[in-house]
Amino acid sequence: GNSVTQMEGPVTLSEEAFLTINCTYTATGYPSLFWYVQYPGEGLQLLLKATKADDKGSNKGFEATYRKETTSFHLEKGSVQVSDSAVYFCALRAVLIQGAQKLVFGQGTRLTINP
Amino acid sequence: GAVVSQHPSRVICKSGTSVKIECRSLDFQATTMFWYRQFPKQSLMLMATSNEGSKATYEQGVEKDKFLINHASLTLSTLTVTSAHPEDSSFYICSVQRAGSSYEQYFGPGTRLTVT
Repeated sequence: GNSVTQMEGPVTLSEEAFLTINCTYTATGYPSLFWYVQYPGEGLQLLLKATKADDKGSNKGFEATYRKETTSFHLEKGSVQVSDSAVYFCALRAVLIQGAQKLVFGQGTRLTINP
Repeated sequence: GAVVSQHPSRVICKSGTSVKIECRSLDFQATTMFWYRQFPKQSLMLMATSNEGSKATYEQGVEKDKFLINHASLTLSTLTVTSAHPEDSSFYICSVQRAGSSYEQYFGPGTRLTVT
């Protein structure tokens, strides 16, 4: 079946450090891949996405490249800020059911950035 | 501003009672909404897909008689936890799917349910 595995957290970094959060997936076919972010007290927000192999999604300084050969979609940012502190979820979208597209989530990685 | 709202944000109920959680799409009409459950430090698990005007589609292992879903209008879906038990305590999150080529989901802020 479809599944997503993220690196375990929590992750604690200093401001301006380089960030990588690993994500690998298992899926049949060619899923779309997503990173969602959940700030404290808020709902999940789409951070970036990629819909086909070698696509790079980017937003707010974050990037992730869809690597079909390694079934990975690692999240990176060159210089993190305190405001990036949140929980990050990797997800894939597959299986068309009655017009709905199901998301499968990784377990989430809590990121804390210290000033 | 918020695209999806949930009410209540927190609820505490006694074991054996029922609790209703509302999910509203604020910006657009939604034929499809999703209900997720999130345990502490764990991922979101899809419970069911809510379709306007028809029965919800439940994921394997989710009791449809315990988690009643009603998608009565294009902007409102409700999840009722019936005869709640302490093990039903969790964070419940809904999302709304925007129809179209992207099928992007917009998430509500979640409802924390505590059953005592």
